[in-house]
Amino acid sequence: QSVLTQPPSVSGAPGQRVTISCTGSSSNIGAGFNVHWYQQLPGTAPKLLIYGSNNRPSGVPDRFSGSKSGTSASLAITGLQAEDEADYYCQSYDSSLSAVVFGGGTKLTVL
Amino acid sequence: QVQVVQSGAEVREPGASVKVSCKASGYTFSRYDFSCVRQAPGQGLEWVGWISTSDGKTNYAQKLKGRVTMTTDTSTSTTYMELRSLRSDDTAVYYCVRGGGSTYNGLDVWGQGTTVTVSS
Repeated sequence: QSVLTQPPSVSGAPGQRVTISCTGSSSNIGAGFNVHWYQQLPGTAPKLLIYGSNNRPSGVPDRFSGSKSGTSASLAITGLQAEDEADYYCQSYDSSLSAVVFGGGTKLTVL
Repeated sequence: QVQVVQSGAEVREPGASVKVSCKASGYTFSRYDFSCVRQAPGQGLEWVGWISTSDGKTNYAQKLKGRVTMTTDTSTSTTYMELRSLRSDDTAVYYCVRGGGSTYNGLDVWGQGTTVTVSS
């Protein structure tokens, strides 16, 4: 059972927009701690996709965006492409646990 | 370029220990914390712990406290993660990652991963 809750899977057709939710609590996202998102392509190490809730590292397309509100955060992907098919994880910090926490991961399928 | 290079795959018997090394390059080592994240086969990401490279302070996942130790050698820009009393459910890919705690920048540079297999 992950501290941050994500849907196990989402899907969309090429060109469409999809969103992935990440629900936390008052001791992590709701406490104001940053939310980060990672993309893990099959057989590779995760890659930082969004940091500080809504910032993209250099090289990440602007099709990827993040947002945060209350105890939840979201990752949006517009103009879906076949190469976006991957697992996506949200991550934050939990003050009650004094620990870095991850969501359980969401598998994105491009139809 | 900024990178983290990890040591190679390991196979251990239950009850043994393993030590993974992570060498950083391309940036000032002591300016960033270092974390360890693991991923069991077919599972999600699990935080193991982090270490401050400037003062050596550590913080570990509750479930691993007492079995895990992270250390750094600033002279070689290398971080080490040792896991003791290995069990079969410690079988995972272990990633060394730049960053830790509630950092604004997230875990921004990942090593290639070290596969640790625990089997008799």
